[in-house]
Amino acid sequence: GENVEQHPSTLSVQEGDSAVIKCTYSDSASNYFPWYKQELGKGPQLIIDIRSNVGEKKDQRIAVTLNKTAKHFSLHITETQPEDSAVYFCAASSGTGFQKLVFGTGTRLLVSP
Amino acid sequence: EPEVTQTPSHQVTQMGQEVILRCVPISNHLYFYWYRQILGQKVEFLVSFYNNEISEKSEIFDDQFSVERPDGSNFTLKIRSTKLEDSAMYFCASEGRANQPQHFGDGTRLSIL
Repeated sequence: GENVEQHPSTLSVQEGDSAVIKCTYSDSASNYFPWYKQELGKGPQLIIDIRSNVGEKKDQRIAVTLNKTAKHFSLHITETQPEDSAVYFCAASSGTGFQKLVFGTGTRLLVSP
Repeated sequence: EPEVTQTPSHQVTQMGQEVILRCVPISNHLYFYWYRQILGQKVEFLVSFYNNEISEKSEIFDDQFSVERPDGSNFTLKIRSTKLEDSAMYFCASEGRANQPQHFGDGTRLSIL
């Protein structure tokens, strides 16, 4: 089955810096890659997603890149703010229609003022 | 914005007792999921549900677990005889139609004593 690895496990940056979180996946059939932000006591909230027919997607300060050949995808947050502090999870799923998500192990991002 | 709601937010139960976790998915969504997250670990898929039947289940989802959509709005997860290792956050998610993102509730923290 699919296995998703995520790095780093923790990331500390200064406000205004950029943050990059990387994930690799094992199943070449995976074609959907969402990123979720989880704040304390809350459920995962979708922040951006990308499908395998696209190499990059951007939404304001957040961007995701996908390298299908290398089976890795990354989340880029620019101009970080303290409210970006949270745990970020990458995930992958395969097939068409509804499919289970396989999550990475999470990255705790701390943005210091 | 429509959201997935879960009740209760925290459930404390004695080992061996039955517990039912409840979810109200986003209205008009067709695909439903349960995931769990043991403290400090990644989110793990339990089961997916569509058209009033289980579509896929993980190894975690053994005979002690069951899901039901008793009416047009609720989606429940039942654990028949809880074990200490069932202690975790349980998240419900729903998806509107094929290839749409999954939306998560804020979870139920289940504590087994």
